[in-house]
Amino acid sequence: AQTVTQSQPEMSVQEAETVTLSCTYDTSESDYYLFWYKQPPSRQMILVIRQEAYKQQNATENRFSVNFQKAAKSFSLKISDSQLGDAAMYFCAYRRRTGGGADGLTFGKGTHLIIQP
Amino acid sequence: DVKVTQSSRYLVKRTGEKVFLECVQDMDHENMFWYRQDPGLGLRLIYFSYDVKMKEKGDIPEGYSVSREKKERFSLILESASTNQTSMYLCASSLWGALNTEAFFGQGTRLTVV
Repeated sequence: AQTVTQSQPEMSVQEAETVTLSCTYDTSESDYYLFWYKQPPSRQMILVIRQEAYKQQNATENRFSVNFQKAAKSFSLKISDSQLGDAAMYFCAYRRRTGGGADGLTFGKGTHLIIQP
Repeated sequence: DVKVTQSSRYLVKRTGEKVFLECVQDMDHENMFWYRQDPGLGLRLIYFSYDVKMKEKGDIPEGYSVSREKKERFSLILESASTNQTSMYLCASSLWGALNTEAFFGQGTRLTVV
């Protein structure tokens, strides 16, 4: 079974600074997807960024980027120029790549990100 | 935009009651999921469905059942609610197939069993 570990229950960063959220995972699969989801106080889960395991290039979405280390099974999220609106719970998630069909996401326990004004 | 709608944001039920949590999606997605979210535990998969009338157990199916009579609707059923089922419940949907990876979530139902 796959597991996802987020070792930082809470992180705090000053507005406009950079912060990195850690995630490690364990799987015997070679092909899979990794995600970071954001859950603000509204509770709506929003996809921040995704990474395909077969791609060596790290994914980037504006101020959000990942450091994907496949051999180390590490998938960290870097948020640059932090903004007050970035304050939320962040969840790292894993999904194996299948030939078809449904597979649920496996989530980490989450990191609560606080932005200090 | 994909929309996943859960019928209630807050629900209070008594121990032993039969509880229905409803979820509807409007993007013709084949896959639908029910997760439970608890502080310090993240999201855990209860059940999922990849087609009408098809269902698969997730990681924590005990005490729950599901129903999918129509493609757009996926219901989570607590046959006899217990206090340890007090939690946030999140519904999600996604397209079938390996190339379609993103799951879209509803706004969550916070269930309290007293």
